[in-house]
Order: sequence, then C-alpha cells, then structure tokens
Amino acid sequence: QSVLTQPPAESGTPGQSVTISCSGSSFNIGSHAVNWYQQLSGTAPRLLIYANDQRPSGVPDRFSASKSGTSASLAISGLQSEDEADYYCAVWDDSLIGVVFGGGTKLTVL
Amino acid sequence: EVRLVESGGGLVQPGGSLRLSCAASGFTFSDYFMHWVRQVPGKGLVWVARLSNNGRSSAYAASVKGRFTISRDTAKNTLYLQMNSLRVDDSAVYFCTRDRRWEPNSSDYWGRGTLVTVSS
Repeated sequence: QSVLTQPPAESGTPGQSVTISCSGSSFNIGSHAVNWYQQLSGTAPRLLIYANDQRPSGVPDRFSASKSGTSASLAISGLQSEDEADYYCAVWDDSLIGVVFGGGTKLTVL
Repeated sequence: EVRLVESGGGLVQPGGSLRLSCAASGFTFSDYFMHWVRQVPGKGLVWVARLSNNGRSSAYAASVKGRFTISRDTAKNTLYLQMNSLRVDDSAVYFCTRDRRWEPNSSDYWGRGTLVTVSS
C-alpha cells in the first residue's frame, strides 16, 4: 500500500480528456512539490511534470497538472493513442525521509 | 547528450552482495543529486536511495537502510549502489536517475535499468 493513492486504472477515447488523481498527506504533498512520470511499456520512466505544474521541454502542453492541499492531479487533454502508459506521482515525504511514489495509474486509450 | 548506463545486475543468492554501477556522461556529474529507483517487472516504482551532489548527504528507503549504501566517484563520473544481505524481495530492475537541477527529487534523466534477481 503506497503512501500516495492513485486510481489503478483510467481510460478514455482519442480526443477526450482524462484526469489522474494523487492523494497524500501533510507530510508529503502538503509540504513538497509533486512530480509526475510517464512510463511507456517496456521503457524507463520519463519526467512529465515537475514542481507541481511545470513541463520539461519536449512535453506537449496537452499535459498539465495542479496541486491543492494534500492532493494533486494530472490532466491529459486531446487524448492520443501514444498516451497509453503508466503514470506515477512522486514527492518527498518528511515522515519517511525519502521519496514516495504513487502506486501508478494505467491509462488505456480505447 | 545526457546518458546514464547501469551495470552490475545479475543473479545472486539470498544473503549475498552485489554492487551496481551507473556511468554518467553528458553533464557535470558533481553538480547533481542522484537516485536509485527500483521496479519489480509489472509493478510500480519504488525509490531506493538518494545522494547529494557532493556525496556528503544520503537518504534511504526504510526497506534497504542498513543494507544498501549509495556512493559516487566524481573522478569516474559513476554512481554506485552497494547491496548487502540481499533478500528475495530486493529482486527488481534498478534504475539510476539524475535530479533536475534546483528541483530536488525530480528525476529528469533515467537509465535503462539493470536487473537484479535474488534467488536460491
């Protein structure tokens, strides 16, 4: 059981919008910046969002994220087939004194 | 071009030791915090350890504290993970990652990983 709670799965059709949630506590999301990673099948994870809502260069603006209190969310608009992947939130945790990852959300593009 | 290349994985018996290496290139290694993250195939990501850019400050997941040691050799641009007293549940793909500069704990580059299997 992860310290950060994500839904195990989400789905959408091409062109739709999808939101993935990440719920934590005051020890982690409530105190530190949230990062999001995308992992395509068989590949290493890729940084998708850092510092709660910042996109690294090369990440399409279809991807956006936000944080409020002890929860964060990743939004994907204009869903494309290549967005089918596992998505993870991650943040530093003051109680565990380490980085914690959410359990991951498998996004299926129908 | 930033590159992180892990090596040193393999099959080891429970209770044994293994040292993983991560060869870094394409950036000033001494400027960046580095991490190890592991993943059982088909399962989620699990953070293992972090080391500061100067090698003086480290942090470990509770599950590996006291058994694993993260270190770095700036002259060789290499990150290490010494794993002792290995257990079956340490079996995973181990990724080396680099922190984004000035953004702690956000890994902007990942290696392809090295597989560790702990089994008798």
